[in-house]
Amino acid sequence: GAGVSQSPSNKVTEKGKDVELRCDPISGHTALYWYRQSLGQGLEFLIYFQGNSAPDKSGLPSDRFSAERTGGSVSTLTIQRTQQEDSAVYLCASSPRLATADTQYFGPGTRLTVL
Amino acid sequence: GNSVTQMEGPVTLSEEAFLTINCTYTATGYPSLFWYVQYPGEGLQLLLKATKADDKGSNKGFEATYRKETTSFHLEKGSVQVSDSAVYFCALSLIQGAQKLVFGQGTRLTINP
Repeated sequence: GAGVSQSPSNKVTEKGKDVELRCDPISGHTALYWYRQSLGQGLEFLIYFQGNSAPDKSGLPSDRFSAERTGGSVSTLTIQRTQQEDSAVYLCASSPRLATADTQYFGPGTRLTVL
Repeated sequence: GNSVTQMEGPVTLSEEAFLTINCTYTATGYPSLFWYVQYPGEGLQLLLKATKADDKGSNKGFEATYRKETTSFHLEKGSVQVSDSAVYFCALSLIQGAQKLVFGQGTRLTINP
């Protein structure tokens, strides 16, 4: 079946512009996660959704970052007023349930470059 | 807090060599443990996992055993192949406030023919 998909695959933007990153999870997966992979910070957790709800937003790096999920499916990560330190690969993952033993399935990522 | 420490890379081996990548963790609960792999140009994918103490995860000739007494989850393979060249990430999963994977820093493995 179809895996997790993300769009765009690459995004180059100018400092100060807003960007939207999209994630389509595996159909039927209730849990959805966003991570960021950068050279300096490795793989870091940003936010997770159980259904359409994000119980804990403390992993988001600043108030310029926000995320939403609609219909228990598609999620959008928005970065406002982008900065050069936002350059990274943004990864989305989904899992069948919100359970520690469940495997998280990752998408291919969106590579964001802020000039 | 919760953290994962992996053996630093890069690691370079010859084909058919024995591989060990060390991974230790710190957790305030009872985590599930995972090894994820990222092949060149590809996304992260699960290699194996173990969800409780003394469990052994295995896949593609790789194995790792959940050792609670030493808080370790070392990855091993008896005979590596060139196609195993990738970056390997050890990770733990806990529900404590936020459900998330906590990753180690990754170990880049290169296998030479």
